[in-house]
Amino acid sequence: EVQLVESGGDLVQPGGSLRLSCTVSGFTVSNNHMSWVRQAPGKGLEWVSVIYAGGNTHYIDSVKGRFTISRDNSKNTLYLQMNNLRAEDTAVYYCAKDLGRFDPWGQGTLVTVSS
Amino acid sequence: IQMTQSPSSLSASVGDRVTITCRASQDIGSTLVWYQEKPGKVPKVLIYTASTLQAGVPSRFSGSGSATYFTLTISSLQPEDVATYYCQQHKTDVRTFGQGTHVEIK
Repeated sequence: EVQLVESGGDLVQPGGSLRLSCTVSGFTVSNNHMSWVRQAPGKGLEWVSVIYAGGNTHYIDSVKGRFTISRDNSKNTLYLQMNNLRAEDTAVYYCAKDLGRFDPWGQGTLVTVSS
Repeated sequence: IQMTQSPSSLSASVGDRVTITCRASQDIGSTLVWYQEKPGKVPKVLIYTASTLQAGVPSRFSGSGSATYFTLTISSLQPEDVATYYCQQHKTDVRTFGQGTHVEIK
């Protein structure tokens, strides 16, 4: 059964850091493109970052230089390292298999940036 | 690439034909996906490559268009279709979503 489980969301102060994890079962992370998508409270969906199977990465402009996407092949896990967090990063963060379309998705993990 | 959906919300009666449009700021070919998001649920793929129905999605949903203009049509609106619908392009490495269209029953 294919399953994606995010973890690591928390309440953090502005300027703080957090690392999100997405543990995958049912397929191999390193053989697939994987993305992070977020949704601020009451707002729409916003793509954040992708890591291609070949290892190339891309980011939305607003997180460039602050967020880093990576994966651990031995753990079949995707990560999002988030540094210098801002209030506007507050959102539910989803990981998803990126086929161009995002499918499947995890259930999401909530990141709240507030003092 | 910016994706612009219209309308931002709509209200229609059960059985009505509903159409949502999505415009891309540049040519994206057929790299267009439609999602349905219900409250408290994870977004679900309805249509991909602009017009291909995802397995398990009711046939009342259809997609059309190419280049910069796309539509999602619900041929006969049902109560369970109350949701927010998003388009998304994947022509570029930086994927982008439309702002969403909330559909409710009149």
